[in-house]
Amino acid sequence: EAGVVQSPRYKIIEKKQPVAFWCNPISGHNTLYWYLQNLGQGPELLIRYENEEAVDDSQLPKDRFSAERLKGVDSTLKIQPAELGDSAVYLCASSPRLGEGTGELFFGEGSRLTVL
Amino acid sequence: AQSVTQLGSHVSVSEGALVLLRCNYSSSVPPYLFWYVQYPNQGLQLLLKYTSAATLVKGINGFEAEFKKSETSFHLTKPSAHMSDAAEYFCAVGGSQGNLIFGKGTKLSVKP
Repeated sequence: EAGVVQSPRYKIIEKKQPVAFWCNPISGHNTLYWYLQNLGQGPELLIRYENEEAVDDSQLPKDRFSAERLKGVDSTLKIQPAELGDSAVYLCASSPRLGEGTGELFFGEGSRLTVL
Repeated sequence: AQSVTQLGSHVSVSEGALVLLRCNYSSSVPPYLFWYVQYPNQGLQLLLKYTSAATLVKGINGFEAEFKKSETSFHLTKPSAHMSDAAEYFCAVGGSQGNLIFGKGTKLSVKP
């Protein structure tokens, strides 16, 4: 079974440019997460989806970040415009429906963003 | 609120030596606890998890962790380190809300 797939793996852009990251979760997983991982830090939640609904976006900087999960499967995270401080790894994860399983999250390999 | 504290941002051991990575948690509800490993330029891979069954949990690659409620700890151990264990390790706590809250991580170095 395929794992969580993210693209691109690496992205280098100049500040003020837009960037988008894509995530395809494990088939059948209703819950999708976007985490931000700064260098030398643990992942921090940006947004969590249950199917198409964003149920926790309290940590998403809404002035420049947006996310969507159309049809409850794939998701896209966008930054516009990017700032130097956005350089980080953006991790996508998925899990079965809340209440099922044991809380384990399955992670993709991440998208590493460098803003120049 | 839930939180995780990992003691020691960097641990260095010799090959064949005991590995001990420390994790303390705070949770107002019975926690699910996890250890993940991250190799350079890769995502996080689950090592093991505690979900209120046995307090001593065995994971992959010879790692294990013991849940101690009285000490609010979930330390990760491995009897004999291997060069391939060099990576960053994250402790995480999860609960009924579905999110995982991660510690800052501990980078493990293994010396030959």
